[in-house]
Amino acid sequence: DAMVIQNPRYQVTQFGKPVTLSCSQTLNHNVMYWYQQKSSQAPKLLFHYYDKDFNNEADTPDNFQSRRPNTSFCLLDIRSPGLGDAAMYLCATSRDGGIANEKLFFGSGTQLSVL
Amino acid sequence: AQKITQTQPGMFVQEKEAVTLDCTYDTSDQSYGLFWYKQPSSGEMIFLIYQGSYDEQNATEGRYSLNFQKARKSANLVISASQLGDSAMYFCAMRGGEDNDYKLSFGAGTTVTVRA
Repeated sequence: DAMVIQNPRYQVTQFGKPVTLSCSQTLNHNVMYWYQQKSSQAPKLLFHYYDKDFNNEADTPDNFQSRRPNTSFCLLDIRSPGLGDAAMYLCATSRDGGIANEKLFFGSGTQLSVL
Repeated sequence: AQKITQTQPGMFVQEKEAVTLDCTYDTSDQSYGLFWYKQPSSGEMIFLIYQGSYDEQNATEGRYSLNFQKARKSANLVISASQLGDSAMYFCAMRGGEDNDYKLSFGAGTTVTVRA
């Protein structure tokens, strides 16, 4: 039944060691989003894909990259994780990105720890 | 630019009672959507309820209702007959148009703890 699936649920990496988080969806939605959520804070949008078009938020550090190899799958790459990158990373999807009344569907998140 | 404000960091509510979570917003868009999401300790964001800026009726979904006051730019969530499983963090969020390119932006959240 799961519609937006994130793996792994928990990820531990070392300071400076590249890490990749994955997200897949069975909804056939056009738009996929990556949010970063630090403890007890609001989720913050990092970037999103509208189909193959990548849209980066102005304040997203260059350390964060994303790939979308196909419609169902999206990856978040952190090239050199720092201690400040420890957070929950949430993937979300929506059918369309250009209307106000459409909800986002979220995955369960990946909790990233940086040692 | 959009801004969503939730002024209650945490609330306690007795089981079976109602609770109101405050949310105010600021936008220059005429067309926008307001959402409430629940985030239990497991981390998943669960959609609860939606209100469109042109909707004249307040939205309701089971035990959830949204008290929408457009002139005051407020969209408070009311949870009736609270249950222990309602203990979670609740986020108010908005999608708007011209300035925000329809991205979903969140308030800071309110932690609700339901007491038996």
